[in-house]
Amino acid sequence: ETGVTQTPRHLVMGMTNKKSLKCEQHLGHNAMYWYKQSAKKPLELMFVYSLEERVENNSVPSRFSPECPNSSHLFLHLHTLQPEDSALYLCASSQEWTSEGYEQYFGPGTRLTVT
Amino acid sequence: GESVGLHLPTLSVQEGDNSIINCAYSNSASDYFIWYKQESGKGPQFIIDIRSNMDKRQGQRVTVLLNKTVKHLSLQIAATQPGDSAVYFCAENRGRDDKIIFGKGTRLHILP
Repeated sequence: ETGVTQTPRHLVMGMTNKKSLKCEQHLGHNAMYWYKQSAKKPLELMFVYSLEERVENNSVPSRFSPECPNSSHLFLHLHTLQPEDSALYLCASSQEWTSEGYEQYFGPGTRLTVT
Repeated sequence: GESVGLHLPTLSVQEGDNSIINCAYSNSASDYFIWYKQESGKGPQFIIDIRSNMDKRQGQRVTVLLNKTVKHLSLQIAATQPGDSAVYFCAENRGRDDKIIFGKGTRLHILP
C-alpha cells in the first residue's frame, strides 16, 4: 500500500448528520491534502496543510472543516452536507515542495454518499 | 479555470502493444507535470513526473514526453499488460506557491 490510510472507506450520511473522515500517513511527510473526486470531473483540491498549518483553502464551503492535529493525521469534519457533496474524498501526503517538484501519495479514499 | 485536459476519455489497447495517452495544457507558465494512475477502488498513484526544462523522461516501461511549443504532454507505456488497466491523469503545477491542477483522466482498457 501507499502508506496513507483513510477511514472509513464508505460512509452514508443524512444531510443533518455530523461525521468526520480520518487520514493517517506513515511516511514522515510534512504536507497533507484533501481532494474531492466526483464522477467525470477532475480531482479538486480542497485543503492543504504544510507543517500543520493550513496553506490552501480552495473556496470550499464551510460545511467542510479540516483539522490537522499533527503532521501524521488529517481530519475532515462534515456537517449539514448536500447531496451534491457525494463523492470520493481522497487524502494525500508529500514532502514539502522542492526544486525537483514533489510526489504526492494518496490514500484509497472515502466514498461518501449524502442522502 | 481548469487548464489541463485529455484528448480521449477511453483508450483500448491490445495486450503487448504500446499505449500512448495524451494530455493538453493551456498554461504556458506551468513548469512541472505529473502522471498518475488510478486503479478501481484505489487512490491515484504517482507514475512519473517531468519538469519544463526537459522534453523526455523515462521510467520503468513508461516514458513521458513534453512538447512545450504546443503545450502537449504524453505518457507512453511499453508492452501494455493487464495490470496497466486504470484511469490515467495528467497534472500540472506552476511551482511552489501554486496548486496542482488535474485533468479529467483517460481510462485505459487492455484487450486480450
